[in-house]
Amino acid sequence: GENVEQHPSTLSVQEGDSAVIKCTYSDSASNYFPWYKQELGKRPQLIIDIRSNVGEKKDQRIAVTLNKTAKHFSLHITETQPEDSAVYFCASPGVTSGTYKYIFGTGTRLKVLA
Amino acid sequence: EAGVAQSPRYKIIEKRQSVAFWCNPISGHATLYWYQQILGQGPKLLIQFQNNGVVDDSQLPKDRFSAERLKGVDSTLKIQPAKLEDSAVYLCASSLAVGAVRTLSSYEQYFGPGTRLTVT
Repeated sequence: GENVEQHPSTLSVQEGDSAVIKCTYSDSASNYFPWYKQELGKRPQLIIDIRSNVGEKKDQRIAVTLNKTAKHFSLHITETQPEDSAVYFCASPGVTSGTYKYIFGTGTRLKVLA
Repeated sequence: EAGVAQSPRYKIIEKRQSVAFWCNPISGHATLYWYQQILGQGPKLLIQFQNNGVVDDSQLPKDRFSAERLKGVDSTLKIQPAKLEDSAVYLCASSLAVGAVRTLSSYEQYFGPGTRLTVT
C-alpha cells in the first residue's frame, strides 16, 4: 500500500541555524503535500503546503520543495527560533479506489537550542 | 471563523467499557476524518466521510469501533468495548475537498483539539 517515510526522527539545531526534514512518498498520483506542526498536547497545525504543479513554495522562514521525479518533498526552516521546537509531520494523500486518504509520516521532533 | 469542535476533551474509562466522541466540522466542509494518534506517532486515519457516506474505513477496527455522520455534518465515533491499546488522542479533522482524484478542490485539513482517551 501507499506509505510516507519521514527523516530524521529527531533533529537538534542551534538557534539561528537551518533545519531540513525530508519525506518520501510512494503514490505517484499524489498531488498535494502539506506539512503540519504539532506542539506538545496540541492539535496539528498546517504550516505550509504545496501542489504538484510547483516545485517550491516559501512563507517567511519556512519553505517546501517538491521533487516529483524522485517522489520526495522537504520542509526547510531558516533562522530557527526556540518556538520552532515541536514535532513536524508531512502527509500525502494516497489514492485508493478512486478517492484519496491522507497518510502521515512518522514525525520529526525538532529541538532548537538557545 | 469557527474551527473544528470536539468533545469531550478528556476521558478516562476502564477496559471493556464503552465511550463516544463527538465532532462538529467547519461549516461547509464536506469531508470529515477521524484519526487515532498514539503517543509519539503520527495520526492514523480511522475513517473518512464525504458528506454522510464513508469514503474509507479500511483501518477502523470494526469489531469494536463504529462511526456515523448521519446528516452529513457532525459525527460520532464510538468504541465498545475499549481495550488498553485504545489509549490515544482521537483527532477529528475536516476539509472542503470532495474526494475526487486530481481535482482542484481544496485539500487543506483543519484539526480539532482532540479527545485524549485513557483506558485503565
